[in-house]
Amino acid sequence: DAGVIQSPRHEVTEMGQEVTLRCKPISGHNSLFWYRQTMMRGLELLIYFNNNVPIDDSGMPEDRFSAKMPNASFSTLKIQPSEPRDSAVYFCASSLRGAQETQYFGPGTRLLVL
Amino acid sequence: GENVEQHPSTLSVQEGDSAVIKCTYSDSASNYFPWYKQELGKRPQLIIDIRSNVGEKKDQRIAVTLNKTAKHFSLHITETQPEDSAVYFCAASGSGGSNYKLTFGKGTLLTVNP
Repeated sequence: DAGVIQSPRHEVTEMGQEVTLRCKPISGHNSLFWYRQTMMRGLELLIYFNNNVPIDDSGMPEDRFSAKMPNASFSTLKIQPSEPRDSAVYFCASSLRGAQETQYFGPGTRLLVL
Repeated sequence: GENVEQHPSTLSVQEGDSAVIKCTYSDSASNYFPWYKQELGKRPQLIIDIRSNVGEKKDQRIAVTLNKTAKHFSLHITETQPEDSAVYFCAASGSGGSNYKLTFGKGTLLTVNP
């Protein structure tokens, strides 16, 4: 298996632009997590999907952030409009079943908003 | 919600020495405690985890101990090697309705000097 796949790996954009991050979880995993990592705040859970259904989005910073999982093999995290404070590394992770199983992280997307 | 405190934030040891990283958690219902290692520029990867029904778990040079009464758990690395240099994150996950969520500590930068 190729592991969790994320794209793009790097994204540089200007404030106000829309950013879409993509994730393909490991086949057969029914749980998908989006995290944001910054020096100041560490690793933060943004949203969790179970069987393609959003279970908890309380970590999503504000209405500018949205996430979808249209099927078991694809998820997106969208920021619209983007702001400089959104600059961070965004990780997608998947597990067989929930947070109490090994979470396999993707390589991350390094986002810089100018 | 759960709060995880991790200490120290940085740790420098000589090759061959032992390293200990400590974490405390706030939610007494938490019952799953993983440790993730993140090398510079890479993704977090699970190195060991422990569940609340055991007090200690070992895997070669790595061990984790859990004290549920005191609500703290620790990572022990013996005979450290330069390749152990990385950021280590502890995390905690609750039971019941919150068992989907991992709350991470802020991380410990471990440097092993040759």
